[in-house]
Amino acid sequence: AQSVAQPEDQVNVAEGNPLTVKCTYSVSGNPYLFWYVQYPNRGLQFLLKYITGDNLVKGSYGFEAEFNKSQTSFHLKKPSALVSDSALYFCAVRDMGDYKLSFGAGTTVTVRA
Amino acid sequence: GAVVSQHPSWVICKSGTSVKIECRSLDFQATTMFWYRQFPKQSLMLMATSNEGSKATYEQGVEKDKFLINHASLTLSTLTVTSAHPEDSSFYICSVIRAYEQYFGPGTRLTVT
Repeated sequence: AQSVAQPEDQVNVAEGNPLTVKCTYSVSGNPYLFWYVQYPNRGLQFLLKYITGDNLVKGSYGFEAEFNKSQTSFHLKKPSALVSDSALYFCAVRDMGDYKLSFGAGTTVTVRA
Repeated sequence: GAVVSQHPSWVICKSGTSVKIECRSLDFQATTMFWYRQFPKQSLMLMATSNEGSKATYEQGVEKDKFLINHASLTLSTLTVTSAHPEDSSFYICSVIRAYEQYFGPGTRLTVT
């Protein structure tokens, strides 16, 4: 079985400040980890993924995430948040041998000007 | 990546009627598509896996006679919500798999009155 936990329903930051969205996961094998962003009434947009290799993954729009195997975490980060980053963020995981994704509950990010 | 479209983007129907949602893979042939539903400010819930030329595989708790899935070609899967009720009002999102990654459609907002 695989699962994802996003412990924060909401994250609020001021524009220009660092942004972190937390994610922890559980899989039986090697994890494939993803971050997606969703704007109101829109589908999911892919931000970044971790499959293997360097633990620090860089993605779209200045986002990055760090894979930490010992802590089973994959936190999303952005050094300087923009108001336009305000959206709903989902962490997702799948086992290496499965196509099905398991999503976290989502974290609403609000960046105030 | 992959480009996925959904039609319609928004539909309102009366209780008791049926509504069909289309998911198209625009730039490659997708043997597998997924259908999700999402309630407001909640995570995506996988409903079923749609396989071209065969019956869909439904997740536990999803009524296959209510949510009819047809994947008749490599570029088109349809979800028909039969005898819709207000509790079926939701955001329905499809996705395709390409190179081990899922790419999502823009979603269809269904409102049953």
